[in-house]
Amino acid sequence: DGGITQSPKYLFRKEGQNVTLSCEQNLNHDAMYWYRQDPGQGLRLIYYSQIVNDFQKGDIAEGYSVSREKKESFPLTVTSAQKNPTAFYLCASSITPKPYGYTFGSGTRLTVV
Amino acid sequence: EDQVTQSPEALRLQEGESSSLNCSYTVSGLRGLFWYRQDPGKGPEFLFTLYSAGEEKEKERLKATLTKKESFLHITAPKPEDSATYLCAVQGGATNKLIFGTGTLLAVQP
Repeated sequence: DGGITQSPKYLFRKEGQNVTLSCEQNLNHDAMYWYRQDPGQGLRLIYYSQIVNDFQKGDIAEGYSVSREKKESFPLTVTSAQKNPTAFYLCASSITPKPYGYTFGSGTRLTVV
Repeated sequence: EDQVTQSPEALRLQEGESSSLNCSYTVSGLRGLFWYRQDPGKGPEFLFTLYSAGEEKEKERLKATLTKKESFLHITAPKPEDSATYLCAVQGGATNKLIFGTGTLLAVQP
């Protein structure tokens, strides 16, 4: 079945540590996105990529980094510069340029310990 | 600035009690309006896409409608399994980015 796989489902980070969240899709979608979801807030865009080897900052990119070396993969690194990383992280993909909406992964819950 | 506002924030219904969720939006050149369902601890699940004012889409007990300023998600005779957070998003201009509202948390009691 085609879809988006996020791993791990739960992740714990110590202060000062970098962690990487995995996102893989087999939908042959060109564009991929990372969102952060906090209670009472809408999904906020961190980074997005419309083609391989290219990506753009979203609304809250500070303290995060990404890479897009393969069409299928769009990993997100939460660096120690992100002061409040505890949140639910969602990866999504879409066909471009038509507005067909996104397909989402099942999410990764990151907690600082 | 593109913006999406959903109301109410939370809604509690009795099983069988029909109601509507609202999504008001401002966007430059609407390309699409999207409704998603999200269960706790999971990613959003796609429900509908609406492209132009006057358009309607239906799926089981759900019906989505669109005007130039807002969209409604009508829930007819809801069941407890309809309990979830419903998210609205818009896509406008030349970008593929979706702008999301904060969602409506729906609880349907048996």
